[in-house]
Amino acid sequence: GAVVSQHPSRVICKSGTSVKIECRSLDFQATTMFWYRQFPKKSLMLMATSNEGSKATYEQGVEKDKFLINHASLTLSTLTVTSAHPEDSSFYICSARPTGTDTQYFGPGTRLTVL
Amino acid sequence: GQNIDQPTEMTATEGAIVQINCTYQTSGFNGLFWYQQHAGEAPTFLSYNVLDGLEEKGRFSSFLSRSKGYSYLLLKELQMKDSASYLCAADAGNNRKLIWGLGTSLAVNP
Repeated sequence: GAVVSQHPSRVICKSGTSVKIECRSLDFQATTMFWYRQFPKKSLMLMATSNEGSKATYEQGVEKDKFLINHASLTLSTLTVTSAHPEDSSFYICSARPTGTDTQYFGPGTRLTVL
Repeated sequence: GQNIDQPTEMTATEGAIVQINCTYQTSGFNGLFWYQQHAGEAPTFLSYNVLDGLEEKGRFSSFLSRSKGYSYLLLKELQMKDSASYLCAADAGNNRKLIWGLGTSLAVNP
């Protein structure tokens, strides 16, 4: 149980384009999902907390207009990187917390490369 | 401030036991997580301690002392596949987001 999927697993795009990443909880409902990014050999950096049916809460320094988050259902959150640039290249990981519990379960991650 | 400390790197031998320590200072505290992360992959959940004491799960055990702000992850009968980064994370109660340590990179040698 507690399986989280992410799609796509890898994406390469041109600078200036937008990329959408989906995060789904497959066998549970998640009121809250989290979006992280991770650079090579660095720790996880929380970008935002996504709450179903309400606006996401962004961490300090994360541009909400650049990283659009939508959590339209209890099993799906999306992160859209708008007008991507090479410095946005990173490993993006989502996690989901089953409603009523404390544990976050991670998706497999999406490796974004912006050329 | 909020802070989590864990060693950067550790090395151990296949078949041995290793203990990875984690100390934390947070304004609030609900519990302490341990995750395993292999290179190029996302973290996987190992354990969550809320109460003081040791919780055992197969080869892995996790300990928590709330009064000391201290936890450790104990790995027994080490296998080569245990080579990974081990992340300590505190649930500080602030909108339930986790405060993450930088991870301990464990290398298991034959």
